[in-house]
Formats: sequence, C-alpha cells, structure tokens
Amino acid sequence: ETGVTQTPRHLVMGMTNKKSLKCEQHLGHNAMYWYKQSAKKPLELMFVYSLEERVENNSVPSRFSPECPNSSHLFLHLHTLQPEDSALYLCASSLEGVGTQYFGPGTRLTVL
Amino acid sequence: GEDVEQSLFLSVREGDSSVINCTYTDSSSTYLYWYKQEPGAGLQLLTYIFSNMDMKQDQRLTVLLNKKDKHLSLRIADTQTGDSAIYFCAESTNGGATNKLIFGTGTLLAVQP
Repeated sequence: ETGVTQTPRHLVMGMTNKKSLKCEQHLGHNAMYWYKQSAKKPLELMFVYSLEERVENNSVPSRFSPECPNSSHLFLHLHTLQPEDSALYLCASSLEGVGTQYFGPGTRLTVL
Repeated sequence: GEDVEQSLFLSVREGDSSVINCTYTDSSSTYLYWYKQEPGAGLQLLTYIFSNMDMKQDQRLTVLLNKKDKHLSLRIADTQTGDSAIYFCAESTNGGATNKLIFGTGTLLAVQP
C-alpha cells in the first residue's frame, strides 16, 4: 500500500470500552500527527510525534493516549470516552521540518 | 493569534470558474496550502504555494497569494461536478521541531450540473 492508511474506517464504542485507532504511513516520513475533525469546527491538532518522540500535546484529555512505536506507525488508544468525542479522527505524516502533510482517510468514531 | 478564515459556501454551475478565498494572520507563514475533502474521506493535498511567490498554476488550479493583504485564493477553471467537496486553506507556522498547520473552517463548493 502507498500513502497513509488508517484502521478501522468506522468505529462505534460505548463509554466504558477501550479501543485503539491505527495509522500507518508508507512515505518514508518521520513526523506523524493526530487531528480531530468535528462538525462545524476547524481541524484540531491533537498530537505531534517527530522522530518517534511526542513534541506537542494540545491540551488533549487523558482519555486519549497516543503511541508511536516507530516512524511508520501511530496509534491512538481510547478509553472511557464521552459522546462529544464522536468525530472523524485523521492521521497525517510529513518530513520533519517540512510543512507539507499527507492525510489518511480517517476513522469515523461514534461514542454511544 | 493565528487564525485562518474562509467563507462557508460557494455554489457554481458546471463549466464556470470557481474562486475560493482565504485570509490568514501569520505574516511569517512559509507555505500556504489548499486541501480538498470529499464526503467520508480524508484531506487530499491539492496544491501549495511558497510565501515568496505570487501565483502558482497547476492544470485547472491557480493559486494567488497577496502577502501584503494576507489573502490566498484558489481558482478552479472549468469546474466539474467531481470538484464538489470541502476545500480547506492552511498556513504553515514554525512550531519548533515540526511545522504546524493552521486550518480554516473549510468552504463547501457545490457544483450544479
């Protein structure tokens, strides 16, 4: 596969569940990002990893826990989410220090 | 602070030109981007322009940058129904180890047959 892939594409979970979102990039990039896209709001940057180290955490609640085991993979671990966390979660990657980010197709998350 | 603004909606007829506008606030932005998002999909990079350029053309797409007014536009020539989507403008700011992208709220382009 090429580009940035995300799994699953759709996820429905209850507030007490634990689940994980996965992102994989095949572009040789070394920076990866998680964004949240809610209706009628600008894209919100959640986390940034550069060279597998977290360099930014934009005041995201602790019920979202990112993990970057290597430069090609990024996870977002979810637990005890709230209904207002329902959104499209987008992963992106880039070369460190270069602005152009390439996005995956997103995971549509619904929290019941 | 950093802010990127776009109009929410644009409707055009098939075959006409579309012009989507964007204003930004960070005068130190190095790159400015246009992304396209189709329903149920992620963001697709359409084109970008370096801040020392005034214009960039790529097939049906023309990007104009007025750095003095901090105004960016995307012109789509001969607009097709397949161009119907949300278009996001983004500015790149120097966020340390990585460049941050600040996105606008997006402009919904509706193309009428």
